[in-house]
Amino acid sequence: GAVVSQHPSRVICKSGTSVKIECRSLDFQATTMFWYRQFPKQSLMLMATSNEGSKATYEQGVEKDKFLINHASLTLSTLTVTSAHPEDSSFYICSANLDRGTGELFFGEGSRLTVL
Amino acid sequence: QKEVEQNSGPLSVPEGAIASLNCTYSDRGSQSFFWYRQYSGKSPELIMSIYSNGDKEDGRFTAQLNKASQYVSLLIRDSQPSDSATYLCAPYEGAGTALIFGKGTTLSVSS
Repeated sequence: GAVVSQHPSRVICKSGTSVKIECRSLDFQATTMFWYRQFPKQSLMLMATSNEGSKATYEQGVEKDKFLINHASLTLSTLTVTSAHPEDSSFYICSANLDRGTGELFFGEGSRLTVL
Repeated sequence: QKEVEQNSGPLSVPEGAIASLNCTYSDRGSQSFFWYRQYSGKSPELIMSIYSNGDKEDGRFTAQLNKASQYVSLLIRDSQPSDSATYLCAPYEGAGTALIFGKGTTLSVSS
């Protein structure tokens, strides 16, 4: 099956700093990747759709200047949380599907961000 | 606004029983449906997918789809404690679109 790898799995940072999370498709090329965020005991909320070589599409209410997404290659998308604050503490999960697939999403392991 | 509704639970069943999880969705354009299982602190993993009306069985899992009623369900037979997790329903609308998840149903299987 398709494998998506995400790094780091856990990160703790101080308020006001920036954090970068990487998402890689290991055995397939992903034209599109999706970034989700999950707060405790809540469902996955789509943050943005990342398209290779073009600007990401953000969901309503997600600040594009705060959550910078770069999808520079067909196997790598990055999410940078800029000037992080405690309310940004969450579980961030990336995913991708096969370009000619059935729509099934393959998820990375997730990155748990804690902002002190 | 596309919506996916699930009973958040918790749904508690004894080991060996059948667990029934339900999901309704608002978008009639949805082409197929996915059930994911998510253990606490982990990312979701695919359990079942279903594309046509009717039943689809895979081991202890059976997905049921009724597009006219905009309803999809997941039955877990012979429930095991290892099935204790949150189950997420997600309709799929076509190429390039993301999955929009329901809030999920938390299942607890007691031994």
